[in-house]
Amino acid sequence: AQSVTQPDIHITVSEGASLELRCNYSYGATPYLFWYVQSPGQGLQLLLKYFSGDTLVQGIKGFEAEFKRSQSSFNLRKPSVHWSDAAEYFCAVGAAGGSYIPTFGRGTSLIVHP
Amino acid sequence: DSGVTQTPKHLITATGQRVTLRCSPRSGDLSVYWYQQSLDQGLQFLIQYYNGEERAKGNILERFSAQQFPDLHSELNLSSLELGDSALYFCASSVGGVGETQYFGPGTRLLVL
Repeated sequence: AQSVTQPDIHITVSEGASLELRCNYSYGATPYLFWYVQSPGQGLQLLLKYFSGDTLVQGIKGFEAEFKRSQSSFNLRKPSVHWSDAAEYFCAVGAAGGSYIPTFGRGTSLIVHP
Repeated sequence: DSGVTQTPKHLITATGQRVTLRCSPRSGDLSVYWYQQSLDQGLQFLIQYYNGEERAKGNILERFSAQQFPDLHSELNLSSLELGDSALYFCASSVGGVGETQYFGPGTRLLVL
């Protein structure tokens, strides 16, 4: 069965600083990988996804993520964080092929200091 | 705005009661997914419907059931409610099903007293 680990429950950064949120997955084959963001009181919004091909994926709002098969990781990065990026971030893994049932990590809460 | 609507936004009820949550997918989307988000369990996939038929099942309790109607809206029925059912319930939709981007609604917050 697939699983996702987001090792950091909370991350605090200063506005303008760079950001990296960690995600490790467990899945036997090539997975589908996703990052979602959830602002307070809102539903989840897709930031980016990886299915195949280029391992560096560009998303919305200036985010990118890199798929590293050897490390079973799909870390999310942003070069310069804005105060509006404060939110909960979820990594998810889905099974490639067949009926798609995504498994979500527990989330990382991003706090941005001015 | 994702285009997915959910009603009601908030629901307060008592243990043992039954409630129905409603979801309207984005125009053109055939798949609907239901999720439960709670502090102790995180975000859990419950069930998926595709064009009216059940496609996949996750950690859905027997007290819970769902259906998707011919107009593609979906309802999640929760019965014999327990305190532990208090959570945010999200609906998401996608065009098809396999590995496609899911668009999430704003959720229904259920409080069981």
